[in-house]
Amino acid sequence: AQSVTQPDIHITVSEGASLELRCNYSYGATPYLFWYVQSPGQGLQLLLKYFSGDTLVQGIKGFEAEFKRSQSSFNLRKPSVHWSDAAEYFCAVGGVGGGSYIPTFGRGTSLIVHP
Amino acid sequence: GAGVSQTPSNKVTEKGKYVELRCDPISGHTALYWYRQSLGQGPEFLIYFQGTGAADDSGLPNDRFFAVRPEGSVSTLKIQRTERGDSAVYLCASSLNGIFYNEQFFGPGTRLTVL
Repeated sequence: AQSVTQPDIHITVSEGASLELRCNYSYGATPYLFWYVQSPGQGLQLLLKYFSGDTLVQGIKGFEAEFKRSQSSFNLRKPSVHWSDAAEYFCAVGGVGGGSYIPTFGRGTSLIVHP
Repeated sequence: GAGVSQTPSNKVTEKGKYVELRCDPISGHTALYWYRQSLGQGPEFLIYFQGTGAADDSGLPNDRFFAVRPEGSVSTLKIQRTERGDSAVYLCASSLNGIFYNEQFFGPGTRLTVL
């Protein structure tokens, strides 16, 4: 069965500092990997996704993630964090069910940004 | 255009009661998904519709949970004999046609509280 581990429940960074959120996955084949962001009162928004090809994926809002098969990881990075980035971040790994991908989500990492 | 909408935004009910949660997907999206997000957890898949039919209902926890999408647009998640453990945020998402690389767009969720 597929699974995702986000080892950090909370991450605190100062505004302008760099950010890395960790994600490790377990999946029996080539995974489909996603990062979502959830702000209070908002729906989940897709930041970026990896299906194949270049292992460094660029997303919206200045985020990027790198797929490392040898480490079963898909860490999210941002070079300079803005206060508006404070939110809950979810990593997800996709399987295939009924012709669509059915993602399994991690428990999330809460990002706190200090001014 | 309009995003995915869910009503009500909050629902408080008593143990043993029946509830219905509604999802309006993005117009033209044939794929619709329901997830449940418990406190401090990531979303968990419940059911996926392609058009009017449930293509994958493997995430429904038991037979108290049922979902319909009779005209291939609006969907209703129905929970019978609610239990306190059903308290969670119920998320709905839609995508263009359910093909794995098409993005799922999430609604803001319905927060269900079972007293």
